Amino acid sequence: GDSVTQMEGPVTLSEEAFLTINCTYTATGYPSLFWYVQYPGEGLQLLLKATKADDKGSNKGFEATYRKETTSFHLEKGSVQVSDSAVYFCALSVLPNPPYQAGTALIFGKGTTLSVSS
Amino acid sequence: GAVVSQHPSWVICKSGTSVKIECRSLDFQATTMFWYRQFPKQSLMLMATSNEGSKATYEQGVEKDKFLINHASLTLSTLTVTSAHPEDSSFYICSAPRTDPYSYNEQFFGPGTRLTVL
Repeated sequence: GDSVTQMEGPVTLSEEAFLTINCTYTATGYPSLFWYVQYPGEGLQLLLKATKADDKGSNKGFEATYRKETTSFHLEKGSVQVSDSAVYFCALSVLPNPPYQAGTALIFGKGTTLSVSS
Repeated sequence: GAVVSQHPSWVICKSGTSVKIECRSLDFQATTMFWYRQFPKQSLMLMATSNEGSKATYEQGVEKDKFLINHASLTLSTLTVTSAHPEDSSFYICSAPRTDPYSYNEQFFGPGTRLTVL
């Protein structure tokens, strides 16, 4: 079945370090890919998304490219800040007939905790 | 952007009592909403799909008589934890998919409700 595999954390970095969080997926149909971020005690916020192969999603300095050939959607940031400390979730949506949304639940990876120190 | 709210944000109750959690879409209509449960330092576990005007669809292993879901209107879904016990203590999160065309099933998440059962 459809699934998301995300690198295990926690990831501990110093401020201004380079960040990579790996995410790979298995999917049938036409997957869309998302990164969500969860700050302590809060719900999930969409960080970025990509809806077709070779799309690059970007937001707040974070980037991820939808690689169909490697079934990956790795999250990267060139210089992390303390305020980036949070849990990051990779998620997948598979719709049978794009681009119409079918209202299905997202499939989440297990989440990666990022801790950035100054 | 669209907002999904949850109420209450936290609740403490005695064992054996029932607790109702509300999930509202504030500026869009949601015929479908999803309820998740999140344990500490873990990913989101889909509990059920809430459908406006029809019965909720529960995931395997989720007791439908314990977790009552009512999708009363196009902007409101409620989750009632009946006869709560300490093992029901958790972080409950709802989400609703975007309804505009070409949204690729992007979801808006509520801020979550922390339930503690004593």
